[in-house]
Amino acid sequence: GAVVSQHPSWVICKSGTSVKIECRSLDFQATTMFWYRQFPKQSLMLMATSNEGSKATYEQGVEKDKFLINHASLTLSTLTVTSAHPEDSSFYICSARWSGRVGHTDTQYFGPGTRLTVL
Amino acid sequence: AQTVTQSQPEMSVQEAETVTLSCTYDTSENNYYLFWYKQPPSRQMILVIRQEAYKQQNATENRFSVNFQKAAKSFSLKISDSQLGDTAMYFCAFMKRGGDDKIIFGKGTRLHILP
Repeated sequence: GAVVSQHPSWVICKSGTSVKIECRSLDFQATTMFWYRQFPKQSLMLMATSNEGSKATYEQGVEKDKFLINHASLTLSTLTVTSAHPEDSSFYICSARWSGRVGHTDTQYFGPGTRLTVL
Repeated sequence: AQTVTQSQPEMSVQEAETVTLSCTYDTSENNYYLFWYKQPPSRQMILVIRQEAYKQQNATENRFSVNFQKAAKSFSLKISDSQLGDTAMYFCAFMKRGGDDKIIFGKGTRLHILP
C-alpha cells in the first residue's frame, strides 16, 4: 500500500505555455498533499501544502499565481506551472499524507517526481 | 525554527561494510518525528526509517538502524552489510508532531557503495 503516482514523469514545453502535473494517491485517501521542488544535487524545497477542498498554503517566496495548486479530491492534487519559463525547469515531487493509517498517521509517501524542462 | 544538518556531503564504502550517516537537528519542540529518506538515481523518495521522539528505543528496519540521542539532538543512520543497491542520496528529515505536517529536510549525504 501507500503508492503515490505522478503524471507525467517528464515534460518538455515551450516558454510561455502552461503545464499541469498530477499527483495521485492510488490506494489511500490523502487529505493533505505537498509539492516540492528539487534542483540538481540539492535537497527538496517545499513549495506548498495542498488541502482537499480548500486553498493551498504556499511557502514564502513561492508565487501562488505562478504555481496553481488544486486538490479537488482525496486522491488527486494538481500543480499547474503557468506561463512557464526556463528558470522553472526543475524536478517536481509531490507527497501525500495517509491520514487514516494506524501507526503511520504522520508518514508522507512520495511520488516518483516529474522532470520539467522549459525551452 | 527547526533545522536539520547533515555534515557529510558524500561518503563511499565498500560493499558489505557498515556505514554511519550523521544528522543533527535543532528544535524547541518536544514531540516530533525524525526520518531517513533514500533517493536512488531514479529519484523516487523512499522512506528508510522513522523514529518517534517520545520513544527511547532506537528504530530498526532490517539492515538499517538509527542511533537517536534526543538530548544531543542527534539522529544517525547505520547501514549494516551495505549493498550496491544502497547507493543513493540519503536525507535526514524532521517533522513536528501534531503540527502542519511540514517536513524539513537536511541537505543530504550522497552514499556510494563500491563493489
